[in-house]
Order: sequence, then structure tokens, then C-alpha cells
Amino acid sequence: GDSVTQMEGPVTLSEEAFLTINCTYTATGYPSLFWYVQYPGEGLQLLLKATKADDKGSNKGFEATYRKETTSFHLEKGSVQVSDSAVYFCAPSIYNQGGKLIFGQGTELSVKP
Amino acid sequence: DTGVSQNPRHKITKRGQNVTFRCDPISEHNRLYWYRQTLGQGPEFLTYFQNEAQLEKSRLLSDRFSAERPKGSFSTLEIQRTEQGDSAMYLCASSTIGRAQETQYFGPGTRLLVL
Repeated sequence: GDSVTQMEGPVTLSEEAFLTINCTYTATGYPSLFWYVQYPGEGLQLLLKATKADDKGSNKGFEATYRKETTSFHLEKGSVQVSDSAVYFCAPSIYNQGGKLIFGQGTELSVKP
Repeated sequence: DTGVSQNPRHKITKRGQNVTFRCDPISEHNRLYWYRQTLGQGPEFLTYFQNEAQLEKSRLLSDRFSAERPKGSFSTLEIQRTEQGDSAMYLCASSTIGRAQETQYFGPGTRLLVL
């Protein structure tokens, strides 16, 4: 079935460190890929997306590239800030099922000053 | 664009009671989704509507759960005879239909606690 595997958290980094959160997926068809972020006490916000192979999504210094051959969509940021502390979710959307999103368990990021 | 809104934001109920949640999507969005998120987990898909038609339901959606979107605008999710295992955050999202997969925009959620 459709599924997502994210690297386990929590991930603890110092401010200005480089961030990678790995995400691999299994999905029918040709999904679009999304990263959502959930700040403490808040709802899910779209961080970035990519809709076809080799597309790079980017936002707020975060980037992720749609790698169809490895079914991966790893999230990266060159220099994290304390304000990036949140839970990050990778999610493919299943086109032939109304675009429903399949979420992984999320990766908690904690950035220390 | 006022975003997706959900009411109530919090609900505490006793086991066996019925509860109903409401979701108001972004006004021009014709797709509406319900998800459930338990502590420490990612959201799980429950059901979705395209306009007023409910097109898919997850196996997670037992007979005690029912969702409606009567005029293709707001939606309600009702849980009958609540159980402690129903305690979770219930999330609503909306999107438009397009050639590419459209982004789903999420509401703040309704947190349910069943005592």
C-alpha cells in the first residue's frame, strides 16, 4: 500500500547548522510530493511542494527535489534557525484517490541557540 | 481568503455521547478532506468530498462516523457513541481540482478528548 518513511526524530541541531530530513515513499501512480510543517500548538502549513520528477520545491530557505528513481523527497536547509523548531511531515498525494495525502510519522526538529 | 476554519477548536465529551464538528473550507475550493491525527503521529486520511459528493472513505471511518457536505460548502463530521480511542485532533483541509495536484490547505483542527 501507499506509505511514507521519514527519518526518526527528534533531531537536535545548533543554530546555523545544516539540516537534512530524509523521506522515501511508496505510492501508486505519479504523486505530487509535499512537505508540511507543524509549529507547536498550530495546524499544518504547507512548506513546499514538487509535482513532477526532478522538480525542486523551495520556500523559506528549505529545499527538496523530487527523485522519481529513488522515490525520495529529502528536505534540506543550509542554516537552521531557532524558529525552525517544529515537526516536519513528508506527504505524497495519491492522484487516483482524490489527491489524498499520505503522511509519515513526522520528524521533530529542535534548534538550540 | 480567510483560510479554512474549524469549530469548535476543543471538545471534551463523555464516552457514549455524540459530537459534531464543522469545517468551513476556502470559499472557491471544491474538494474537502477530513484527517485524524493522534499524538505523535502524522495525520491519517478519513474521507473526502468533491463538491457535495463523498467520493472515498477510509477503513478507519467506522459506522459510528458520518460526514456530510450538503451544499458543497461547509462540512460536518459526526461521531456517534464516542469511545476513548476517538480522542484525537480532527483536521479539515480543502483544495481545488486542477491538472496538477493542488495544495491542500489545512484548518487549525478540532481537538477531541473523550473521558
